[in-house]
Amino acid sequence: KAGVTQTPRYLIKTRGQQVTLSCSPISGHRSVSWYQQTPGQGLQFLFEYFSETQRNKGNFPGRFSGRQFSNSRSEMNVSTLELGDSALYLCASSWGYRATSYEQYFGPGTRLTVT
Amino acid sequence: DAKTTQPPSMDCAEGRAANLPCNHSTISGNEYVYWYRQIHSQGPQYIIHGLKNNETNEMASLIITEDRKSSTLILPHATLRDTAVYYCIARLSGGGADGLTFGKGTHLIIQP
Repeated sequence: KAGVTQTPRYLIKTRGQQVTLSCSPISGHRSVSWYQQTPGQGLQFLFEYFSETQRNKGNFPGRFSGRQFSNSRSEMNVSTLELGDSALYLCASSWGYRATSYEQYFGPGTRLTVT
Repeated sequence: DAKTTQPPSMDCAEGRAANLPCNHSTISGNEYVYWYRQIHSQGPQYIIHGLKNNETNEMASLIITEDRKSSTLILPHATLRDTAVYYCIARLSGGGADGLTFGKGTHLIIQP
């Protein structure tokens, strides 16, 4: 079974631009969560989508948004990029939502550098 | 999530069993122990989880003490590719509204 895929793997943007990252979950998984990982802050939860609806949201500004499509694929968008948005953005998929088994399977991440 | 404590680093010889401890003395009765690892520059990888009983899968074994205050992740025959940061998490099954949170974990270095 194919794992979680994320595109692109690397991205360089300048301040003020916007970016869209894509995630394809494991086949059959309906939940997709997004995380930001930096050396200073560690792993931070952005949001979770299940059945095309955002179910949970972390403590990030409104510049960070996402969506999920009917095939469970998900995208996240960051508008008006800031230098501090440079990070590894991870997508994780799981079969169920919250009440069910919560092993999450992570993709390789998208390394975003903002200059 | 209950607080977990892990040693910051450990070494293990290749081919030997790597035993990674985790202390979770404030764990509640319905919180599971989860283990993930992250190899440098890759996404985290789920390893195993358990509630009370010992668990084993193709990657590792999880031994949870009877009082559930601590656990040990065992990699039976460590290879160089097992060098990674290992994270122990105590969490309700199904998680919560805030996603996973990793502490600093244990940096396991497998020596040739």
